[in-house]
Amino acid sequence: EVQLVESGGGLVQPGGSLRLSCAASGFTFTNYWMTWVRQAPGKGLEWVANIKQDGSLTYYVDSVKGRFTISRDNAKNSLYLQMNRLRAEETAVYYCARVFESMITFGGVIAIPVYFDYWGQGTLVTVSS
Amino acid sequence: DIQMTQSPSSLSASVGDRVAITCRASQSITIYLNWYQQKPGKAPKLLIYAASSLQSGVPSRFSGSGSGTDFTLTISSLQPADFATYYCQQTYITPLTFGQGTKVEIK
Repeated sequence: EVQLVESGGGLVQPGGSLRLSCAASGFTFTNYWMTWVRQAPGKGLEWVANIKQDGSLTYYVDSVKGRFTISRDNAKNSLYLQMNRLRAEETAVYYCARVFESMITFGGVIAIPVYFDYWGQGTLVTVSS
Repeated sequence: DIQMTQSPSSLSASVGDRVAITCRASQSITIYLNWYQQKPGKAPKLLIYAASSLQSGVPSRFSGSGSGTDFTLTISSLQPADFATYYCQQTYITPLTFGQGTKVEIK
């Protein structure tokens, strides 16, 4: 059974730092991209960052570039999000999720759509003084 | 960035109703469109990927259609478990973006 369990959330002051962790089990962690998605209270979903299987490639939403770092430890089946210079508006539940890549033929062309097929339960980060 | 716009933002429907939620992308995303369901206090759940492919274990009353810029999630006969918020997501290009959500409520 695929399981993703986030931890590390809590209360932090504006400008502070926090490191989130996501423990993965039930699948071969090294075969998958991973991602972080956040959701502010009462708001919609916002993609934060992705990381490739070997950690060699990462992507971020513009608003966190230079402040957040996504990383992984494949030996520990773990995903991380280091968050620095946190802002009040980044108060949210942070979810980790597995990224699945499929391969289909569309219009005679091979397409590789990706989607987030398993999600953790989330960890709440509150940025407040 | 690609903007994803869902409509309506909310709707009220009865058990057994046919429900359709639309999602429009600000530029073509071919079929790189996913749909998720989220219930209060829970993580999102994948329903549909690649615009029209049903995720394993998801009831067949859910279906997706569309390509390019216009997409639809249809629930053929609304069940009590379907009252939730639904999000579309484009994975054509980063930043990956979600629609604002459509809340389906009980009439």
